[in-house]
Amino acid sequence: DVKVTQSSRYLVKRTGEKVFLECVQDMDHENMFWYRQDPGLGLRLIYFSYDVKMKEKGDIPEGYSVSREKKERFSLILESASTNQTSMYLCASSLRGRGYGYTFGSGTRLTVV
Amino acid sequence: GENVEQHPSTLSVQEGDSAVIKCTYSDSASNYFPWYKQELGKRPQLIIDIRSNVGEKKDQRIAVTLNKTAKHFSLHITETQPEDSAVYFCAASWGGSQGNLIFGKGTKLSVKP
Repeated sequence: DVKVTQSSRYLVKRTGEKVFLECVQDMDHENMFWYRQDPGLGLRLIYFSYDVKMKEKGDIPEGYSVSREKKERFSLILESASTNQTSMYLCASSLRGRGYGYTFGSGTRLTVV
Repeated sequence: GENVEQHPSTLSVQEGDSAVIKCTYSDSASNYFPWYKQELGKRPQLIIDIRSNVGEKKDQRIAVTLNKTAKHFSLHITETQPEDSAVYFCAASWGGSQGNLIFGKGTKLSVKP
Protein backbone atom coordinates (compact mmCIF):
# COMPACT_ATOMS: atom_id res chain seq x y z
CA ASP A 1 0.00 0.00 0.00
CA VAL A 2 2.50 2.58 -1.23
CA LYS A 3 1.19 6.02 -0.32
CA VAL A 4 3.93 8.32 -1.68
CA THR A 5 5.16 7.29 -5.10
CA GLN A 6 8.21 8.66 -6.86
CA SER A 7 8.17 8.05 -10.58
CA SER A 8 11.70 6.73 -10.99
CA ARG A 9 13.91 4.71 -8.66
CA TYR A 10 17.09 5.31 -10.68
CA LEU A 11 17.77 8.01 -13.23
CA VAL A 12 20.86 8.89 -15.28
CA LYS A 13 20.95 12.25 -17.02
CA ARG A 14 23.53 14.29 -18.88
CA THR A 15 24.92 17.62 -17.73
CA GLY A 16 22.75 20.48 -18.94
CA GLU A 17 19.59 18.42 -19.35
CA LYS A 18 16.31 19.55 -17.83
CA VAL A 19 15.21 16.89 -15.35
CA PHE A 20 11.77 16.28 -13.90
CA LEU A 21 11.28 14.25 -10.72
CA GLU A 22 7.67 13.40 -9.98
CA CYS A 23 6.01 12.63 -6.68
CA VAL A 24 2.41 11.58 -6.14
CA GLN A 25 0.63 10.96 -2.82
CA ASP A 26 -2.78 9.41 -2.30
CA MET A 27 -3.40 10.48 1.30
CA ASP A 28 -4.97 13.89 0.56
CA HIS A 29 -2.07 15.60 2.35
CA GLU A 30 -1.78 19.37 2.11
CA ASN A 31 1.99 19.55 2.64
CA MET A 32 4.60 18.14 0.29
CA PHE A 33 8.38 18.34 0.50
CA TRP A 34 11.49 17.61 -1.56
CA TYR A 35 14.77 16.66 0.12
CA ARG A 36 18.11 15.53 -1.10
CA GLN A 37 20.10 13.03 0.91
CA ASP A 38 23.88 12.84 0.75
CA PRO A 39 26.22 10.82 3.00
CA GLY A 40 27.12 12.72 6.13
CA LEU A 41 24.81 15.64 5.31
CA GLY A 42 21.50 14.14 6.35
CA LEU A 43 18.26 15.34 4.79
CA ARG A 44 18.45 18.78 3.23
CA LEU A 45 15.22 20.56 2.33
CA ILE A 46 15.04 21.87 -1.23
CA TYR A 47 11.46 23.14 -1.58
CA PHE A 48 8.12 22.59 0.07
CA SER A 49 4.49 23.37 -0.61
CA TYR A 50 1.53 23.86 1.70
CA ASP A 51 -1.13 23.93 -0.99
CA VAL A 52 -1.77 23.79 -4.70
CA LYS A 53 0.24 26.41 -6.61
CA MET A 54 2.08 27.39 -3.44
CA LYS A 55 5.80 26.87 -2.97
CA GLU A 56 8.41 27.87 -0.44
CA LYS A 57 12.19 27.70 -0.66
CA GLY A 58 13.99 25.36 1.67
CA ASP A 59 17.63 25.40 2.66
CA ILE A 60 19.16 24.59 -0.73
CA PRO A 61 16.84 25.79 -3.55
CA GLU A 62 19.55 26.94 -5.94
CA GLY A 63 19.42 25.11 -9.24
CA TYR A 64 15.96 23.68 -8.55
CA SER A 65 12.36 24.70 -9.08
CA VAL A 66 9.07 23.01 -8.27
CA SER A 67 5.54 22.77 -9.53
CA ARG A 68 2.34 21.87 -7.72
CA GLU A 69 -0.61 22.08 -10.07
CA LYS A 70 -2.63 19.39 -8.29
CA LYS A 71 -2.86 18.59 -4.60
CA GLU A 72 -1.54 15.07 -5.01
CA ARG A 73 1.44 15.85 -7.24
CA PHE A 74 4.64 17.76 -6.50
CA SER A 75 7.33 17.94 -9.16
CA LEU A 76 10.97 18.84 -8.70
CA ILE A 77 12.69 20.37 -11.71
CA LEU A 78 16.42 20.62 -12.30
CA GLU A 79 16.59 23.39 -14.87
CA SER A 80 20.08 22.47 -16.11
CA ALA A 81 21.44 19.38 -14.39
CA SER A 82 24.97 19.50 -13.07
CA THR A 83 27.20 16.79 -11.65
CA ASN A 84 26.92 18.25 -8.13
CA GLN A 85 23.21 17.45 -8.25
CA THR A 86 23.98 13.74 -8.28
CA SER A 87 22.18 12.57 -5.17
CA MET A 88 19.27 10.66 -3.65
CA TYR A 89 16.07 12.72 -3.84
CA LEU A 90 13.28 12.02 -1.37
CA CYS A 91 9.74 13.30 -1.55
CA ALA A 92 7.54 13.47 1.55
CA SER A 93 4.02 14.55 2.44
CA SER A 94 2.11 15.37 5.60
CA LEU A 95 -1.12 16.81 6.87
CA ARG A 96 -1.11 20.53 7.55
CA GLY A 97 -0.49 21.56 11.13
CA ARG A 98 2.02 21.00 13.89
CA GLY A 99 2.16 17.48 15.19
CA TYR A 100 2.07 15.33 12.07
CA GLY A 101 4.81 13.10 10.81
CA TYR A 102 5.95 12.85 7.24
CA THR A 103 5.40 9.93 4.89
CA PHE A 104 8.36 9.52 2.57
CA GLY A 105 8.60 8.11 -0.93
CA SER A 106 11.17 5.46 -1.81
CA GLY A 107 13.52 7.98 -3.36
CA THR A 108 15.05 8.63 -6.76
CA ARG A 109 18.77 8.02 -7.16
CA LEU A 110 19.82 10.61 -9.75
CA THR A 111 23.19 10.43 -11.44
CA VAL A 112 24.28 13.34 -13.63
CA VAL A 113 27.11 12.48 -16.00
CA GLY B 1 18.40 29.55 12.32
CA GLU B 2 16.58 26.66 13.94
CA ASN B 3 18.65 23.55 14.40
CA VAL B 4 18.53 19.95 15.60
CA GLU B 5 21.81 18.41 16.74
CA GLN B 6 22.00 14.62 16.79
CA HIS B 7 24.67 12.46 18.45
CA PRO B 8 26.43 10.20 17.89
CA SER B 9 26.78 10.06 14.11
CA THR B 10 27.71 6.37 14.29
CA LEU B 11 27.00 3.79 16.97
CA SER B 12 28.07 0.19 17.12
CA VAL B 13 26.66 -2.20 19.73
CA GLN B 14 26.60 -5.93 20.38
CA GLU B 15 23.34 -7.76 19.87
CA GLY B 16 21.35 -7.65 23.09
CA ASP B 17 22.88 -4.39 24.30
CA SER B 18 21.00 -1.09 24.55
CA ALA B 19 21.48 1.86 22.20
CA VAL B 20 20.81 5.51 22.96
CA ILE B 21 20.67 8.35 20.44
CA LYS B 22 20.39 11.93 21.65
CA CYS B 23 19.07 15.09 19.99
CA THR B 24 18.89 18.72 21.06
CA TYR B 25 16.71 21.37 19.48
CA SER B 26 16.81 25.13 19.47
CA ASP B 27 13.20 26.24 18.87
CA SER B 28 11.48 26.50 22.24
CA ALA B 29 8.12 26.42 20.42
CA SER B 30 8.78 22.90 19.07
CA ASN B 31 6.07 20.56 20.34
CA TYR B 32 6.34 17.42 18.23
CA PHE B 33 9.35 15.09 18.01
CA PRO B 34 9.27 12.10 15.65
CA TRP B 35 11.96 9.50 15.05
CA TYR B 36 12.55 7.85 11.68
CA LYS B 37 14.38 4.64 10.79
CA GLN B 38 15.93 4.26 7.35
CA GLU B 39 17.15 0.81 6.42
CA LEU B 40 19.70 0.53 3.64
CA GLY B 41 18.13 1.38 0.29
CA LYS B 42 14.72 2.09 1.78
CA ARG B 43 12.61 5.09 2.67
CA PRO B 44 12.71 6.70 6.14
CA GLN B 45 9.82 5.39 8.19
CA LEU B 46 8.29 6.81 11.34
CA ILE B 47 8.94 4.49 14.28
CA ILE B 48 7.87 6.54 17.28
CA ASP B 49 6.98 10.11 18.15
CA ILE B 50 6.40 12.18 21.25
CA ARG B 51 4.56 15.41 21.92
CA SER B 52 5.63 18.14 24.31
CA ASN B 53 2.95 17.34 26.89
CA VAL B 54 4.47 13.88 27.48
CA GLY B 55 7.83 13.07 29.06
CA GLU B 56 8.25 9.49 27.90
CA LYS B 57 6.69 7.07 25.44
CA LYS B 58 7.37 3.37 24.92
CA ASP B 59 6.60 0.92 22.16
CA GLN B 60 7.95 -2.56 22.84
CA ARG B 61 11.77 -2.29 22.68
CA ILE B 62 11.92 1.38 21.77
CA ALA B 63 11.27 4.40 23.94
CA VAL B 64 11.65 8.13 23.59
CA THR B 65 12.20 10.62 26.40
CA LEU B 66 11.78 14.39 26.27
CA ASN B 67 13.25 17.06 28.51
CA LYS B 68 11.63 20.34 27.50
CA THR B 69 13.61 22.42 29.94
CA ALA B 70 16.91 21.26 28.53
CA LYS B 71 15.47 21.03 24.97
CA HIS B 72 16.67 17.53 24.34
CA PHE B 73 15.09 14.20 23.52
CA SER B 74 16.47 10.70 23.20
CA LEU B 75 15.72 7.39 21.53
CA HIS B 76 16.36 4.25 23.54
CA ILE B 77 16.48 0.80 21.96
CA THR B 78 16.74 -2.15 24.33
CA GLU B 79 17.76 -5.74 23.54
CA THR B 80 19.08 -4.69 20.15
CA GLN B 81 18.84 -7.11 17.24
CA PRO B 82 20.66 -7.14 13.88
CA GLU B 83 17.49 -5.90 12.16
CA ASP B 84 17.75 -2.71 14.21
CA SER B 85 20.79 -1.80 12.09
CA ALA B 86 19.81 1.33 10.15
CA VAL B 87 20.17 5.10 10.07
CA TYR B 88 17.97 6.85 12.62
CA PHE B 89 16.84 10.47 12.23
CA CYS B 90 15.34 12.63 14.93
CA ALA B 91 13.19 15.63 14.05
CA ALA B 92 11.46 18.53 15.73
CA SER B 93 8.56 20.69 14.61
CA TRP B 94 9.43 24.30 13.84
CA GLY B 95 8.11 27.44 12.28
CA GLY B 96 4.47 28.40 12.24
CA SER B 97 1.36 26.27 12.23
CA GLN B 98 1.87 24.61 8.87
CA GLY B 99 3.79 21.57 9.97
CA ASN B 100 7.45 21.70 9.07
CA LEU B 101 9.98 19.36 10.64
CA ILE B 102 13.67 20.00 11.00
CA PHE B 103 15.82 16.87 10.98
CA GLY B 104 19.02 15.86 12.69
CA LYS B 105 21.82 14.57 10.49
CA GLY B 106 21.23 10.96 11.40
CA THR B 107 22.88 8.17 13.41
CA LYS B 108 24.10 5.01 11.72
CA LEU B 109 23.45 2.16 14.14
CA SER B 110 25.22 -1.15 13.61
CA VAL B 111 24.19 -4.14 15.71
CA LYS B 112 26.78 -6.90 15.63
CA PRO B 113 25.60 -10.49 16.10
